[in-house]
Amino acid sequence: DVKVTQSSRYLVKRTGEKVFLECVQDMDHENMFWYRQDPGLGLRLIYFSYDVKMKEKGDIPEGYSVSREKKERFSLILESASTNQTSMYLCASSRRGAPPRGLFGQGTRLTVV
Amino acid sequence: KNQVEQSPQSLIILEGKNCTLQCNYTVSPFSNLRWYKQDTGRGPVSLTIMTFSENTKSNGRYTATLDADTKQSSLHITASQLSDSASYICVVSVVSSGTYKYIFGTGTRLKVLA
Repeated sequence: DVKVTQSSRYLVKRTGEKVFLECVQDMDHENMFWYRQDPGLGLRLIYFSYDVKMKEKGDIPEGYSVSREKKERFSLILESASTNQTSMYLCASSRRGAPPRGLFGQGTRLTVV
Repeated sequence: KNQVEQSPQSLIILEGKNCTLQCNYTVSPFSNLRWYKQDTGRGPVSLTIMTFSENTKSNGRYTATLDADTKQSSLHITASQLSDSASYICVVSVVSSGTYKYIFGTGTRLKVLA
């Protein structure tokens, strides 16, 4: 069964901590995405990557960075976590050049206290 | 501006009843439209995907329709079950600079009561 796997379902971190959210896909997809989901706002794109070592800013990149050292892994980094980054984070992947199949990970619920 | 709007925002129905969720979009150039079901605290799971030329697509008790002229889609749930309680998200894919991007609606929260 092909899938996108996020390393944690739930995380609680303190303000100012550096936080790493990991996402791995086993479908050899070129594209990987990080979204956050907040009530009433839907999913908003933070960053995406179209290839290894390649990244593009999405709609709300402030306060985040990403890393894509290997094709199957896309990491989201909160350099200094803040309470307004408390949210549900979702990773997705798709193949380049074809309509995205829209495969999402199970989500990471991050709480910053 | 590319936008996807869903209605209603929330809906409560009795088990066994049917319901229809709406999605209107102003997205160009359109690639495909997908409906997702998202259980509370979980990632979205794809229900259907429709391209420009498709009008109807079914997945069990879920039937999606697409009118590309009016830029409207609907998701019809037949004989609802308690397990249908979830958020339903409409997502439209666009092609921008040769790459695909998602435009998300804010979802409809469905509650099915016994």
